[in-house]
Amino acid sequence: GEDVEQSLFLSVREGDSSVINCTYTDSSSTYLYWYKQEPGAGLQLLTYIFSNMDMKQDQRLTVLLNKKDKHLSLRIADTQTGDSAIYFCAEIRGSSYKLIFGSGTRLLVRP
Amino acid sequence: SQTIHQWPATLVQPVGSPLSLECTVEGTSNPNLYWYRQAAGRGLQLLFYSVGIGQISSEVPQNLSASRPQDRQFILSSKKLLLSDSGFYLCAWTPPGQGAFAGYTFGSGTRLTVV
Repeated sequence: GEDVEQSLFLSVREGDSSVINCTYTDSSSTYLYWYKQEPGAGLQLLTYIFSNMDMKQDQRLTVLLNKKDKHLSLRIADTQTGDSAIYFCAEIRGSSYKLIFGSGTRLLVRP
Repeated sequence: SQTIHQWPATLVQPVGSPLSLECTVEGTSNPNLYWYRQAAGRGLQLLFYSVGIGQISSEVPQNLSASRPQDRQFILSSKKLLLSDSGFYLCAWTPPGQGAFAGYTFGSGTRLTVV
């Protein structure tokens, strides 16, 4: 799973924008995902992007995809304390049944 | 609506003891089912997945096994736990025929501590 790479930690001030980055490995990945995990809980699907798209916006969330560099990012506008969590990117790799996750980025939002 | 249940939520077991974690899905038929493990401070590792009753694919060699005795039931087991089996175990499902494209729906997880 560690082949999908993410920075481990990000700290931002409440109200600022957060940008979480991910580098994936399979250039043939058709879908790429962002999940959120709050403390002690399972993962919640936040958003996903199809590989023929460069950008997807969903309320405060913006996903950018650079297929050439195999780079995926998640921007959270007007970050709130409730956004503090671990964020995982994931790609479909090999079998269409498997999601491969990055190691997660812990986002801390300071008041 | 579909729901996924995992139990127990927390488990403390001695080294060498057996393990059985259960996951059930409601509101769908023939789901794809998955077991992941999240070790402390690390990402998620796919352990097993199943596309039908009795069909189990194992991703990594380990001390664990999985079974799917019923369509919507997925069980993770071990005959003898090791300290390295400690972690947060997550069950997930996806709709039939769609693989992982629809995205996973995760259960709330089981935190296993082997002492």
